[in-house]
Amino acid sequence: EVQLLESGGGLVQPGGSLRLSCAASGFTFTEYWMHWVRQVPGKGPVCVSRISGDGTRAHYAGFVQGRFTISRDNAKSTLYLQMNSLRAEDTAVYYCARRNSEGGNFDYWGQGILVTVFS
Amino acid sequence: EIVMTQSPATLSVSPGERATLSCRASQSVSSKLAWYQQKPGQAPRLLISDASTRATGIPARFSGSGSGTELTLTISSLQSEDFAVYYCQQYENWPWTFGQGTKVEIK
Repeated sequence: EVQLLESGGGLVQPGGSLRLSCAASGFTFTEYWMHWVRQVPGKGPVCVSRISGDGTRAHYAGFVQGRFTISRDNAKSTLYLQMNSLRAEDTAVYYCARRNSEGGNFDYWGQGILVTVFS
Repeated sequence: EIVMTQSPATLSVSPGERATLSCRASQSVSSKLAWYQQKPGQAPRLLISDASTRATGIPARFSGSGSGTELTLTISSLQSEDFAVYYCQQYENWPWTFGQGTKVEIK
């Protein structure tokens, strides 16, 4: 059974940092692109970042470029999102999601972790 | 960035009736479109990929159609478990983008 379990969320002040983790199991982690997607309650999801299976290619949405870094440890089957210079507008539920190997949709999602940036 | 616009924002439907949800893209996404269902407190669940291919385990009452800039999700006969928010998502261009959602509520 595929499982994705996020951790590391919480409360942080503007300008602060957090690192999210996503522990994956039930599939061959290295074979899949992995993504971080965030969602403000009541709004549509927003893609934040993605990373290739071997970790050599990473892409970001413009609003996090230079502030967030995606990475993965394939030996631990774990995905990370290092978030620096956090802003109030980064407040959201953050999901890790597996990209379907045959296309660009997300076939499995974690349960989500709340990040709240407040002053 | 491709902007996805869903309509209507809210759809009031009686159980057993048909629901038609629309998704318009600001530029062509070909058939690179997915539909998701989301219930309160849960992550989105994949329903449809490549505009019209049902995901594993998704009932036949869910169908997707269209291509280019106009795409549609149809639920042929609404069941109680189908009342939720539905999102479309394009994967033609990065960053992949979602619509703002259509809430299907009980009439």
